[in-house]
Amino acid sequence: SQKIEQNSEALNIQEGKTATLTCNYTNYSPAYLQWYRQDPGRGPVFLLLIRENEKEKRKERLKVTFDTTLKQSLFHITASQPADSATYLCALERGFKTIFGAGTRLFVKA
Amino acid sequence: EAGVAQSPRYKIIEKRQSVAFWCNPISGHATLYWYQQILGQGPKLLIQFQNNGVVDDSQLPKDRFSAERLKGVDSTLKIQPAKLEDSAVYLCASSLLAGGDNEQFFGPGTRLTVL
Repeated sequence: SQKIEQNSEALNIQEGKTATLTCNYTNYSPAYLQWYRQDPGRGPVFLLLIRENEKEKRKERLKVTFDTTLKQSLFHITASQPADSATYLCALERGFKTIFGAGTRLFVKA
Repeated sequence: EAGVAQSPRYKIIEKRQSVAFWCNPISGHATLYWYQQILGQGPKLLIQFQNNGVVDDSQLPKDRFSAERLKGVDSTLKIQPAKLEDSAVYLCASSLLAGGDNEQFFGPGTRLTVL
């Protein structure tokens, strides 16, 4: 069955450093991969989208890579800030079916 | 631009009771999604509408869950009868069109507790 794995343990980093979050998947060939941010008690908020034929996407301090051979996406936040502390979810989609990972909790310490 | 509206925000019911959630998507968005998010897990798609037609409801427990999107605008999700394992946050989302190249806009969710 289709499976998405994100770091189950929280990621703790120091302010100013680069945070790198991983999304691995099996038994799936997504056409699109999206990253969302979710704060406690709120719905997810869209951050970035990358297509299967794209290797990398950037938006301000955010960068996403997509390796369909490794079946992995990496999500980077450069110059991290305490305000970046949240849960980050990856979502895969093909054929109008969307599957979300469980998310990785990021803590950025001042 | 107004976001996705959901109500109620919180609901506590006894098992075997019924409950209904309401969602009003962003104006003009053709696609509407209902997700179930259990604590510590990612959102799980229950049903997806394109206008007022169902695109995917393969993970909707149809013996107890039902959803409708009358007139292709707002939507209701119902659980009857509720079980303890239905305790979760129910998220509604909408997008301009269906497909993974469309970002989804989420509402604040309804937190359901079944006792």
